[in-house]
Amino acid sequence: AQSVTQLDSQVPVFEEAPVELRCNYSSSVSVYLFWYVQYPNQGLQLLLKYLSGSTLVESINGFEAEFNKSQTSFHLRKPSVHISDTAEYFCAVSASGGSYIPTFGRGTSLIVHP
Amino acid sequence: ETGVTQSPTHLIKTRGQQVTLRCSSQSGHNTVSWYQQALGQGPQFIFQYYREEENGRGNFPPRFSGLQFPNYSSELNVNALELDDSALYLCASSLASGRNTYNEQFFGPGTRLTVL
Repeated sequence: AQSVTQLDSQVPVFEEAPVELRCNYSSSVSVYLFWYVQYPNQGLQLLLKYLSGSTLVESINGFEAEFNKSQTSFHLRKPSVHISDTAEYFCAVSASGGSYIPTFGRGTSLIVHP
Repeated sequence: ETGVTQSPTHLIKTRGQQVTLRCSSQSGHNTVSWYQQALGQGPQFIFQYYREEENGRGNFPPRFSGLQFPNYSSELNVNALELDDSALYLCASSLASGRNTYNEQFFGPGTRLTVL
């Protein structure tokens, strides 16, 4: 079984500042890793994913995450946030090679202040 | 292309009642997954249907049941509702080439269920 720990329930930050949302996972098998974003009153949207290959993955809106196997982490970063990035962010893990059934973390609320 | 839709948007039930939630998959998708998201928590996997057959189930009691129809739309049924069933129920659809393949899930906006 897999588990995910998102270390921060809430991260306040000022606009244009950098941000890091932390995610650690536990698994006895190889994993796929994901970050999802949830805006108010909406479903989840896939932000980025790691399946294999390069350990640094990027999204189209400036976010990036790095898979660190030795530290079992998949932290999400953005060098300069916008007000529109305010949302709930969920890290998720699933076993690779099986049916994709993700285990989600509890979420981190990113609050961007002007 | 129509995305994933869910109905109803909101629902209020009393303890002991039964409820049916509905999900229309994104066009062309053959797999549907259901999740329960309690307030302040991440989504928890309930079950998945692939081509009308159950393809995995999370740690939920049998009073949570589902169905996938030939057009790949889906229903989630919950019997004997309990107060703790109050949550946002999310449906996600995907196009799978087989039972054990990664396929990106596309989520609907959810149904907010309140049990009084």
